[in-house]
Amino acid sequence: EPEVTQTPSHQVTQMGQEVILRCVPISNHLYFYWYRQILGQKVEFLVSFYNNEISEKSEIFDDQFSVERPDGSNFTLKIRSTKLEDSAMYFCASSEPLGGWEQFFGPGTRLTVL
Amino acid sequence: KQEVTQIPAALSVPEGENLVLNCSFTDSAIYNLQWFRQDPGKGLTSLLLIQSSQREQTSGRLNASLDKSSGRSTLYIAASQPGDSATYLCAFPSGTYKYIFGTGTRLKVLA
Repeated sequence: EPEVTQTPSHQVTQMGQEVILRCVPISNHLYFYWYRQILGQKVEFLVSFYNNEISEKSEIFDDQFSVERPDGSNFTLKIRSTKLEDSAMYFCASSEPLGGWEQFFGPGTRLTVL
Repeated sequence: KQEVTQIPAALSVPEGENLVLNCSFTDSAIYNLQWFRQDPGKGLTSLLLIQSSQREQTSGRLNASLDKSSGRSTLYIAASQPGDSATYLCAFPSGTYKYIFGTGTRLKVLA
């Protein structure tokens, strides 16, 4: 069964460093998303991506964040200069209309900023 | 703005009980609704998806219903087991199909 994969599973970084979180969505899906979950809090939407551009972003998704689909299979989230408050679990998801917009989630990347 | 509330926030029950988790939302114009399970520190496991044209879905001991007119979905767990202990989240697409998540219900089933 197709699944969304994410790497790495856990990333530890120093404050101010750049990190890139990677996702491989399900191959025939066209819509891609990033969410984050700070420990003990609800899952929050960050950004949606379709046709090689951002279709919607939340207030959280400021200039420190960017997304890219560099090669037709990977979907990345970059945080340019990490802050302590960026520590969270980051989930990638993908969907497509014929599936009734059901979103399929990856296992997540736990980001720890020291 | 869509608001999603899950009640109760936490629940502790003895093994074998049947239980109901609730998810309420303010905007009835939803396309579908999905229930997830999340174990501590882990990812999201999809349990059930209910399309807007459906009223309920069943998978094993789980049954989810959707009443758009009242802005409510319920997840029914039959004959609960200790392995059911987890946080249960409801979510649905809003806007450009981004998902809005509820705050979750933390379930503990005691052996």
